[in-house]
Amino acid sequence: GENVEQHPSTLSVQEGDSAVIKCTYSDSASNYFPWYKQELGKRPQLIIDIRSNVGEKKDQRIAVTLNKTAKHFSLHITETQPEDSAVYFCAATIRSGGSNYKLTFGKGTLLTVNP
Amino acid sequence: AAGVIQSPRHLIKEKRETATLKCYPIPRHDTVYWYQQGPGQDPQFLISFYEKMQSDKGSIPDRFSAQQFSDYHSELNMSSLELGDSALYFCASSSDRLPDGYTFGSGTRLTVV
Repeated sequence: GENVEQHPSTLSVQEGDSAVIKCTYSDSASNYFPWYKQELGKRPQLIIDIRSNVGEKKDQRIAVTLNKTAKHFSLHITETQPEDSAVYFCAATIRSGGSNYKLTFGKGTLLTVNP
Repeated sequence: AAGVIQSPRHLIKEKRETATLKCYPIPRHDTVYWYQQGPGQDPQFLISFYEKMQSDKGSIPDRFSAQQFSDYHSELNMSSLELGDSALYFCASSSDRLPDGYTFGSGTRLTVV
């Protein structure tokens, strides 16, 4: 089955700096890679996702890059703000066109943005 | 907009008791997923249902069972509860008509004492 490795497990940055979180996956058939932000005790919330036919996607201060050959993808947050502090999870899955797909999550990165 | 509704929000049970968690997906979503998230852990996939049929099975213990009903809501039944079952249980739903990802419910926090 799929295995997703995520690094680092904790990341502390100063407000305004950039943060980068990296993930690798094992199943070369995986074609959908979402990123979730989870605040303590709350639900995971999708912040950005990328499909295997795209190398990069950006949404305001958040961007995701995908290297299919190396089987890794990264989350980039620029101009970090204290409210960005949370646990971030990457995930990978095989989406075959239907809605039925299970996600394999990375272990998570605790991001702390210091004011 | 309607979201995924889970009940109860919190549940405290004793060891060896049973628990039933409920999930009401977003209207017209045809797939429901259950995930278990232990303290400081990533969500672990338990089971999913597509159009009321079990579609995939993950690390769900034999003590747990689940089903999806005709109105698409789903229930996760947990028997012979153990201390290690204490976790957040998330339900998520999706639709093949929508290209976006999952929508997660707010979760049920189960505490086994």
